[in-house]
Amino acid sequence: NAGVTQTPKFRVLKTGQSMTLLCAQDMNHEYMYWYRQDPGMGLRLIHYSVGEGTTAKGEVPDGYNVSRLKKQNFLLGLESAAPSQTSVYFCASKERALSSYNEQFFGPGTRLTVL
Amino acid sequence: AQSVAQPEDQVNVAEGNPLTVKCTYSVSGNPYLFWYVQYPNRGLQFLLKYITGDNLVKGSYGFEAEFNKSQTSFHLKKPSALVSDSALYFCAVRDTYSGGGADGLTFGKGTHLIIQP
Repeated sequence: NAGVTQTPKFRVLKTGQSMTLLCAQDMNHEYMYWYRQDPGMGLRLIHYSVGEGTTAKGEVPDGYNVSRLKKQNFLLGLESAAPSQTSVYFCASKERALSSYNEQFFGPGTRLTVL
Repeated sequence: AQSVAQPEDQVNVAEGNPLTVKCTYSVSGNPYLFWYVQYPNRGLQFLLKYITGDNLVKGSYGFEAEFNKSQTSFHLKKPSALVSDSALYFCAVRDTYSGGGADGLTFGKGTHLIIQP
């Protein structure tokens, strides 16, 4: 099993450009998450999904959109990138059964720079 | 609301010595507590968790953590540190009162653990 994969690994954007980050998991997990990691701030939840076709806002959703058209994929979109969105983005997934107890599995991250 | 604090940005330990990485939390109900480790340029890896039961939890790579309800703490420990333990460690919490288990964890800011040869 590949676990959780993310593409691309690195990306540089200019202010105002758009892009989509792709997360894929092969563990048949129901729940998926997008976090951003900034120095000294830990991980902050952007959006999450409890199943195919459903998404919800997390702690810092502004400037981002998400879609979960297939159970195994969770897309994070930036419609008009801003320098404040320079960050490392992590995707994670979790089993639904006994979900409160389960640990999340993380992808390797996408390093995004917005100039 | 739930929150977690890691009071130390960095912890330095000599190889072979015991290590402790501190974590305190705040929740409305009972906590579910997790420790994750992040090696350079990698994603987070799960180390261990406390759900209920024995206050001493054992996890991967020889790490353990002690849950202390009265002090609202969940410190990560290892009896003998290795240079390869050097990494960024995150404590995370979710409240049993949080709905459905679907929402994400609340993470601390992370503690850099540096093991010196």
